[in-house]
Amino acid sequence: SQQGEEDPQALSIQEGENATMNCSYKTSINNLQWYRQNSGRGLVHLILIRSNEREKHSGRLRVTLDTSKKSSSLLITASRAADTASYFCAPPDMRFGAGTRLTVKP
Amino acid sequence: DTGVSQNPRHKITKRGQNVTFRCDPISEHNRLYWYRQTLGQGPEFLTYFQNEAQLEKSRLLSDRFSAERPKGSFSTLEIQRTEQGDSAMYLCASSPLRDRETQYFGPGTRLLVL
Repeated sequence: SQQGEEDPQALSIQEGENATMNCSYKTSINNLQWYRQNSGRGLVHLILIRSNEREKHSGRLRVTLDTSKKSSSLLITASRAADTASYFCAPPDMRFGAGTRLTVKP
Repeated sequence: DTGVSQNPRHKITKRGQNVTFRCDPISEHNRLYWYRQTLGQGPEFLTYFQNEAQLEKSRLLSDRFSAERPKGSFSTLEIQRTEQGDSAMYLCASSPLRDRETQYFGPGTRLLVL
């Protein structure tokens, strides 16, 4: 099994700024997912990107996948205070890393 | 579709006691997962079921932990002889057959062992 590893561990930005989080993994994957977790709550699925996709958009979210580098990134544009949460990437076997804790200051 | 529900939401117990948590997945989701999460960490996989069959168990799932899904619907996670190190959030998730890569998480049960 493998684990997604997110970077940075913590990120603090002002409302309106963009936030970029990165994820690395070790072996070949068919897809990769990103989840968000608000403090003390369950995880919410954000987006799935497949190995044959390089980029995917969903609202203010943009996810990229570079299978040659075994990495993915999540970009949140025009961030809002409500985006404050932890963000996790998950390879198919759902071994989560420690996540990126994003704080968006109003 | 009411989402994944977990009960209780909070549990405080004394060391050595047994506790049982329940998870009700989204109707007709045939996969059900259990995770444990401690503060500042991501969820750690414990086990998962496909219908009533327990297909995988993590090494984290010591012999004090047992999970069941007897009718392929709700699931229970029991911890026997609880230890302080068992204090954590226990998360349940389910996924449908047609999209088993996407998991839908419940709100979790927060356990505190005194």
